[in-house]
Amino acid sequence: DVKVTQSSRYLVKRTGEKVFLECVQDMDHENMFWYRQDPGLGLRLIYFSYDVKMKEKGDIPEGYSVSREKKERFSLILESASTNQTSMYLCATAGTYTDTQYFGPGTRLTVL
Amino acid sequence: RKEVEQDPGPFNVPEGATVAFNCTYSNSASQSFFWYRQDCRKEPKLLMSVYSSGNEDGRFTAQLNRASQYISLLIRDSKLSDSATYLCVVNIQGAQKLVFGQGTRLTINP
Repeated sequence: DVKVTQSSRYLVKRTGEKVFLECVQDMDHENMFWYRQDPGLGLRLIYFSYDVKMKEKGDIPEGYSVSREKKERFSLILESASTNQTSMYLCATAGTYTDTQYFGPGTRLTVL
Repeated sequence: RKEVEQDPGPFNVPEGATVAFNCTYSNSASQSFFWYRQDCRKEPKLLMSVYSSGNEDGRFTAQLNRASQYISLLIRDSKLSDSATYLCVVNIQGAQKLVFGQGTRLTINP
């Protein structure tokens, strides 16, 4: 079974704080993804990575950065959190030869 | 126009009923199609892939119509446990990322 874990289920931060969201997978998958999910908008891709130290912008990268120093770990960074970044953040992972993505439990981030 | 469009619902149906959802996609280069299920406050999980010939998994049947660019999901003999949001998902050829519809919320009533 694929296991994808995220560092926190709930997080409350203040405007301007730097926020780190971490995702760890145990299946040796090459591909990792960060999404945010908002009511009425569905899941939107922020960044993804095909390999260590590699990253690609998704559809809404503004205000975010990512880091992938090890294959199993993909971090999402909010350099200066803003209230419009209050959302559910979901990490996902996929193998090289499959489209199926496996999701972590999500982090509900509130920025005050 | 959104790349993947679904009726957000909510759909409220009685237990035992048959319910069907449709989803349309805009990019004719889309190659892979899926239905994911998301329970309240949980992560999305793959329900089934959708193949050109149509496929069935127990009470669930998925169909793909490439000419009209839509995907359907049929649930027969619905159970209370089928209550969830169903996400239509496509993968465009050459792009290793999925595009998600906003989801259709289904509630099965006793």
